[in-house]
Amino acid sequence: QVHLVESGGDLVKPGGSLTLSCAVSGFTFTEYYLTWIRQAPGRGLEWVSYISGSGNTIYYADSVKGRFTMSRDNARASLSLHMNNLRVEDTATYYCARGTSSYFDSSGYFTDWGQGTLVTVSS
Amino acid sequence: FILTQPLSVSESPGKTVTLSCTRSGGSIASDYVQWYQQRPGSSPTTVIYEDHKRPSGVPDRFSGSIDRSANSASLTISGLKTEDEAAYFCLSYDRHNWVFGGGTKLTVL
Repeated sequence: QVHLVESGGDLVKPGGSLTLSCAVSGFTFTEYYLTWIRQAPGRGLEWVSYISGSGNTIYYADSVKGRFTMSRDNARASLSLHMNNLRVEDTATYYCARGTSSYFDSSGYFTDWGQGTLVTVSS
Repeated sequence: FILTQPLSVSESPGKTVTLSCTRSGGSIASDYVQWYQQRPGSSPTTVIYEDHKRPSGVPDRFSGSIDRSANSASLTISGLKTEDEAAYFCLSYDRHNWVFGGGTKLTVL
């Protein structure tokens, strides 16, 4: 059974940094792309970043580009999101989600999601 | 581009409801639309991908379609059950960017 478990969420001051992790099990890690998706309290979903199965291709939403860095350690089957220069508007539950292949194609979708980890940015 | 969904919809058990997702900026047919269900306190799950396909385990009460003339996608749920009460988000993709609609809160009462 596929499991994704996020961790690392915390209360941080504006301008601070935080690293989120996503531990996965139940599938061959390198065969699937992964994404981070966030949800501000009481709000909708927002895609944050994407990484291919190999880790060679990474995309970011404009709202986080230059501040967030997504990476994966294929040897340890782990996913990370390093967040710098955090803003109040980054406050959200952050989900990691698995795709349907090693690289996104038009038929792809997010098959499995973690339970999320809450990041609160406040002074 | 932007995907616009109505904020809320209500319908009675046993009825059929259709949720809309209208694309502004580009054609709704330029890439597939997915639909995600998020029950209160839970993570999202996929109910529709590739505009109209259902992942295994999703009942055939859920169906998806697109309307090129209206530049929109629709999620139709027939035989509504109280367990269908949830937020529903549409999602599409364009040039290395995934865009969610704002979501529709479906109330079944």
